[in-house]
Amino acid sequence: DGGITQSPKYLFRKEGQNVTLSCEQNLNHDAMYWYRQDPGQGLRLIYYSQIVNDFQKGDIAEGYSVSREKKESFPLTVTSAQKNPTAFYLCASSTTGDPGDTQYFGPGTRLTVL
Amino acid sequence: GQQLNQSPQSMFIQEGEDVSMNCTSSSIFNTWLWYKQDPGEGPVLLIALYKAGELTSNGRLTAQFGITRKDSFLNISASIPSDVGIYFCAGQLRGSGGGADGLTFGKGTHLIIQP
Repeated sequence: DGGITQSPKYLFRKEGQNVTLSCEQNLNHDAMYWYRQDPGQGLRLIYYSQIVNDFQKGDIAEGYSVSREKKESFPLTVTSAQKNPTAFYLCASSTTGDPGDTQYFGPGTRLTVL
Repeated sequence: GQQLNQSPQSMFIQEGEDVSMNCTSSSIFNTWLWYKQDPGEGPVLLIALYKAGELTSNGRLTAQFGITRKDSFLNISASIPSDVGIYFCAGQLRGSGGGADGLTFGKGTHLIIQP
């Protein structure tokens, strides 16, 4: 099946620990994205990557880091510098070109920092 | 950053009624997308709009890309129980390098259907 997978579905960590969230896609999409969602809110962009070995900061990149070593994978690390890391994290990927770009989302990872 | 105002925040309707929600932006987009999200799941794409003035349907759903490129609406006709969920609008502006930037999301419209 083609799609976007995120693992795990639920993740618990102690305060002060770094944690890496996985995102894999087999859609052959060039662009990948990470968003954060807080209760009752829309999604906010953390980082995005339009091509392998390149990525850009989104609106709320502080306290997060990413890598894009392979087209299929775009892991997100939530560092201890992120002041309020408990949230629902969503990964997306998109096609590019005509008529436009359409983003498709994975199922999400809910991170709880204790 | 860009701001998207989505309204209404929530809607309480009877099964069978039509639904209308909209988004307005402080600046232009060249793509508008509408998503539906169920609790604890990722958003699912409903309709994508790429051209100002475009009107697109997907079953009982119809969405339009405003002429000014700063607004969009979504209509759902003859609502059914499975329409319950949170609907998000999202806008995207293609970057100066031609690549796709991230989406800017509205805060969502929570649709509740009363029996």
